[in-house]
Amino acid sequence: AQSVTQLGSHVSVSEGALVLLRCNYSSSVPPYLFWYVQYPNQGLQLLLKYTSAATLVKGINGFEAEFKKSETSFHLTKPSAHMRDAAEYFCAVTPLGGSQGNLIFGKGTKLSVKP
Amino acid sequence: EPEVTQTPSHQVTQMGQEVILRCVPISNHLYFYWYRQILGQKVEFLVSFYNNEISEKSEIFDDQFSVERPDGSNFTLKIRSTKLEDSAMYFCASSGRVRETQYFGPGTRLLVL
Repeated sequence: AQSVTQLGSHVSVSEGALVLLRCNYSSSVPPYLFWYVQYPNQGLQLLLKYTSAATLVKGINGFEAEFKKSETSFHLTKPSAHMRDAAEYFCAVTPLGGSQGNLIFGKGTKLSVKP
Repeated sequence: EPEVTQTPSHQVTQMGQEVILRCVPISNHLYFYWYRQILGQKVEFLVSFYNNEISEKSEIFDDQFSVERPDGSNFTLKIRSTKLEDSAMYFCASSGRVRETQYFGPGTRLLVL
């Protein structure tokens, strides 16, 4: 069965510092992978997705993620954190590369940004 | 930009009561989903709906749950007899021809007392 593991339930960085949020997946077939962001009291917003094209995926708000099959990872990065990036970030995988609809989410990582 | 909307934003109900959560997916989308997020836990898939029928459902989606698309725009989740453990944020999502890209609504926070 597919699953997603997000290392670190809480990450704190200073404004301007590198953001690195970790996601590892397990899948017996090539997966589709996603990062969603949830701002306080709001729904889930798609940041970026990997669907077996380029392994380095650029998303909104300056975020990007790299699919590394050898490491079964899809870590999310941003070179310079901004206060408005404070939110919860969820990594997700779609079973069977999208042929089934349901997303399987990780437990989320709450990002805090210090001034 | 089109978006998924959900009503109500908050609902408080008594245990054993029926609730209906409403969603208006993006208008040209074909696939519809419900997820829930119990406070402090991960987002969990409940059910997906396509071509007027359930296409997949999780173990959570038992006989107390049902979904319906009563007209061309609304997509509803009904919980027939609510339990305390049904308290959660319920998210609706929809996707179009690019099925794997799901757009989420803002959620309905359900509190069962």
